[in-house]
Amino acid sequence: NAGVTQTPKFQVLKTGQSMTLQCAQDMNHNSMYWYRQDPGMGLRLIYYSASEGTTDKGEVPNGYNVSRLNKREFSLRLESAAPSQTSVYFCASSVWTGRYFGPGTRLTVT
Amino acid sequence: SQQGEEDPQALSIQEGENATMNCSYKTSINNLQWYRQNSGRGLVHLILIRSNEREKHSGRLRVTLDTSKKSSSLLITASRAADTASYFCATDIQGGSEKLVFGKGTKLTVNP
Repeated sequence: NAGVTQTPKFQVLKTGQSMTLQCAQDMNHNSMYWYRQDPGMGLRLIYYSASEGTTDKGEVPNGYNVSRLNKREFSLRLESAAPSQTSVYFCASSVWTGRYFGPGTRLTVT
Repeated sequence: SQQGEEDPQALSIQEGENATMNCSYKTSINNLQWYRQNSGRGLVHLILIRSNEREKHSGRLRVTLDTSKKSSSLLITASRAADTASYFCATDIQGGSEKLVFGKGTKLTVNP
């Protein structure tokens, strides 16, 4: 039981490049989330998916798209990366007792 | 502005001492959760307290909730060096529909 896994762990992009962050969970959770964490800030919700086939915007969705591929997988896409998207990205899944987080992807956009 | 605000921002104590962190929030909640984050790692869920509960225990952790003051506290008793981490409160807002809102965290350092 791996919990929540994320790939890649680290990524450096040039401004304007695109990439997809992958997330998978093996706990059969319905809800999945993408957060970003910036220095001195709490986590901010980018997008979430309450169930397979549905996605909704969070607090900071601009510049991102998501896909809930199936119940296990929830990907985050940056179509045209900007330096303001330099951050640590966390995927999470949940049951009513709380969120389970992945180890994070550290993204730098130069 | 943040829904949840932790206080203090940083706390440094000696091993064996107790550590207390506070969280204040602004709007009515369904529940409040505390998470720990070790440096360079993801967040780990510690404890959830519902709006109709006043106190909850889990091992060395004690969480209180005062909905009249819109505040919560996390007490770690007999702290250990391994408790060194950042601690975040997160509020499940009434009518918020999946949007758990995190504070900025308290950075706890436990010195051996």
